[in-house]
Order: sequence, then structure tokens, then C-alpha cells
Amino acid sequence: KAGVTQTPRYLIKTRGQQVTLSCSPISGHRSVSWYQQTPGQGLQFLFEYFSETQRNKGNFPGRFSGRQFSNSRSEMNVSTLELGDSALYLCASSPVGYHEQFFGPGTRLTVL
Amino acid sequence: AQTVTQSQPEMSVQEAETVTLSCTYDTSESDYYLFWYKQPPSRQMILVIRQEAYKQQNATENRFSVNFQKAAKSFSLKISDSQLGDAAMYFCAYFAQGAQKLVFGQGTRLTINP
Repeated sequence: KAGVTQTPRYLIKTRGQQVTLSCSPISGHRSVSWYQQTPGQGLQFLFEYFSETQRNKGNFPGRFSGRQFSNSRSEMNVSTLELGDSALYLCASSPVGYHEQFFGPGTRLTVL
Repeated sequence: AQTVTQSQPEMSVQEAETVTLSCTYDTSESDYYLFWYKQPPSRQMILVIRQEAYKQQNATENRFSVNFQKAAKSFSLKISDSQLGDAAMYFCAYFAQGAQKLVFGQGTRLTINP
């Protein structure tokens, strides 16, 4: 099976812009989670989707949003980018009934 | 809220030797899952090993094993016969069932000396 894929792998934006990141889970996985990784804050949970429904959200401002499509692919959107949004954004998928999460390679976002 | 603590920011070991990475966690839940993930320089997070809290037997995956002490809320990772390819950041993670999310420790950077 192909692993979790994320596009794009690298992204450079300027403050105030918005960005959309995409994640395709492993085939058959219906749960998709997003994490932000920074040197200062480490790995922080953004949100989790299952069957197109957001089941949980981390402690991030409303500028961070996401959605999941019927094929389980997920997107996250960050509006009005700030310098502090520069990070590695990781997507992970899980099969139904299991708790381990399998990660994609991440999208490196740089905000200038 | 659950927290995960890795007290060793950096560790180093000679190739072929054994190293143990420490992890403690805090939770009020009785049923949960614990994981160790490896993140090499490529930044891809790779699942190393998992432990179900209800299982008393420590998990083992080839050269990787854990020492799970539920009462002490401790979950250490032992790497035997260390190899150069084991060099990476290692993250301990707790799966919070209610919140359906992983809570990560700050990580331990492991260096393998040839």
C-alpha cells in the first residue's frame, strides 16, 4: 500500500496570505489528523477528521481550519499567515479500530 | 490533560551497544496506548513500537523493546545492537482516546558513534 502523501512538500508564503495543504491517507484509512511541528513548541495537535466530520480540534486560532472529503483526503487551510505559522505540518492517518497513526512526509511552510 | 515528558534532550551510544531512552507520562485514564516514533533527518515520522496499557507484557519489535511500568507511568525504549541508521529524534507519544489525538514528548536526539 502507498503511504500517506502530502502536497506540496515545501511552500513559501508571505504574511497575510493564505495557504492550503493537502493530505491523502493510506488506502482504507478513514481517520486523518494534522499536527504542527516547530522547534519551540514541538508537535502539537491541530485537528482530526473521520468520515468527513471533525471530531476534535487542538488549541489553535480560527485561522486554522480543515476539511475531509468523501474519499478521506483532507485539506488544511491557514488564513492570514503570520511569521509564527512557519512550521512542518504533518498529516497522519489511522485505520478504523486502531490507534496508531501513520505519518506523511510533511509540508514545510515558511512565512516571510 | 495528559502530558508526556522526555527528560533526555540528547543521547549518544556506540554502534552495536545498547541504549535506553526514558519517557514518563501523566494521565487519569486507565485505558490508553503508548508509542515510540522515530524522526530521522528526512523528517518522516516512523512508528517504532506500540504498547497497550491493558497489556502487562512489554512490547518488542526486533531490536526495539519497551519497559512499561504502568504504576510509575513510565515507558522507556531500549535499542539493542545500535546501528548507524538508528540515529534520529525519538518521540514518545500517548494516545488520548477521548480526544482522539497523540500527545508527544519533546523528543530525544539519538546519535550513534561509529
